[in-house]
Amino acid sequence: AQSVTQPDIHITVSEGASLELRCNYSYGATPYLFWYVQSPGQGLQLLLKYFSGDTLVQGIKGFEAEFKRSQSSFNLRKPSVHWSDAAEYFCAVGPSNDYKLSFGAGTTVTVRA
Amino acid sequence: DADVTQTPRNRITKTGKRIMLECSQTKGHDRMYWYRQDPGLGLRLIYYSFDVKDINKGEISDGYSVSRQAQAKFSLSLESAIPNQTALYFCATKGSNNEQFFGPGTRLTVL
Repeated sequence: AQSVTQPDIHITVSEGASLELRCNYSYGATPYLFWYVQSPGQGLQLLLKYFSGDTLVQGIKGFEAEFKRSQSSFNLRKPSVHWSDAAEYFCAVGPSNDYKLSFGAGTTVTVRA
Repeated sequence: DADVTQTPRNRITKTGKRIMLECSQTKGHDRMYWYRQDPGLGLRLIYYSFDVKDINKGEISDGYSVSRQAQAKFSLSLESAIPNQTALYFCATKGSNNEQFFGPGTRLTVL
């Protein structure tokens, strides 16, 4: 069965500092991997996705993520955080031949001035 | 206009009442999903539909039912609401590249 673990429940970062959110997945084959962001009171918005090819993927809002098969990880990064990045972030995994995503529990990011 | 809309956005109801949450989409996608979100648990899949005639249970379907009235409409019902169904509910559609598009959510409180 597929599953996702986001080890960090809450991260606080200073504006302008770098951010890294961890995601570990469990899946038997090559997964489809996603990062979504949920701003307060909003639905989920896709930041980026990985299906195959280059293991470093670029997304919207200056985010990137790196797929590491050996570590079963898909960590999200941003070099310089803005106050508007305060939100909850979800990692998700789905098999390539089906369409049911499994989500992690989420990481809440607080940005301090 | 939003591609995926949900109504109502907020609802407070009492234990035992029947509740329907509605979802409409203009993306033309065949696949639609209902999730619930609880703090610390992320999103869990309730039901999903591949098309109007194909509806499937997700991981937490007990206490819920769905109806796919048309390609664009997918409703979630709680036949007899209970307090532990208090949650944030999301509808989503799936595009051709496995990306899911989410509605804004419905916050349901069962007293």
